[in-house]
Amino acid sequence: DTAVSQTPKYLVTQMGNDKSIKCEQNLGHDTMYWYKQDSKKFLKIMFSYNNKELIINETVPNRFSPKSPDKAHLNLHINSLELGDSAVYFCASSQFSNYGYTFGSGTRLTVV
Amino acid sequence: RKEVEQDPGPFNVPEGATVAFNCTYSNSASQSFFWYRQDCRKEPKLLMSVYSSGNEDGRFTAQLNRASQYISLLIRDSKLSDSATYLCVVNVDGANNLFFGTGTRLTVIP
Repeated sequence: DTAVSQTPKYLVTQMGNDKSIKCEQNLGHDTMYWYKQDSKKFLKIMFSYNNKELIINETVPNRFSPKSPDKAHLNLHINSLELGDSAVYFCASSQFSNYGYTFGSGTRLTVV
Repeated sequence: RKEVEQDPGPFNVPEGATVAFNCTYSNSASQSFFWYRQDCRKEPKLLMSVYSSGNEDGRFTAQLNRASQYISLLIRDSKLSDSATYLCVVNVDGANNLFFGTGTRLTVIP
């Protein structure tokens, strides 16, 4: 019974396309996140939502737009994909940050 | 300056060895500290939280030194299955926002 699930697992697409990644958690957590892990394996936060409200929006191009229809879901839509967007995108959730996060299995995005 | 810094390694150690990783953080107001483990092409998973008094979980011991702003992870009696990247993680500003180090790669050799 997957705690944080994200789809798709792999996404290969051409430059200029628009794509979405979906994330759902069944842990009852109030906060959800999107992280990006680049080729150097550095994990960097992109967005954080608490009870459907945006609380963290790091310096991310506005081509990236998160949407949280309810506190169990946080989707990521990316417009006009660029080569530099190729990375692994991880969704995560937490109840309180001092308890740590639970991560989804990641979406490996490749832009060609 | 990065919020969290750690030696990327790689650390190559024989089975049964003891290995230690250190990590430094820049914000003295940091409140929560963790070690995560990430296997190749997998998601990070919480290994252990780090408490002020230090804590142990089986072969793993975590320590926090607030004065010097570093945390450490000690692995005793290394197993082949310990091979992974170990991520140092710090909650810097009290909000729901964890900062991750770049990770230290450990390979345990038979």
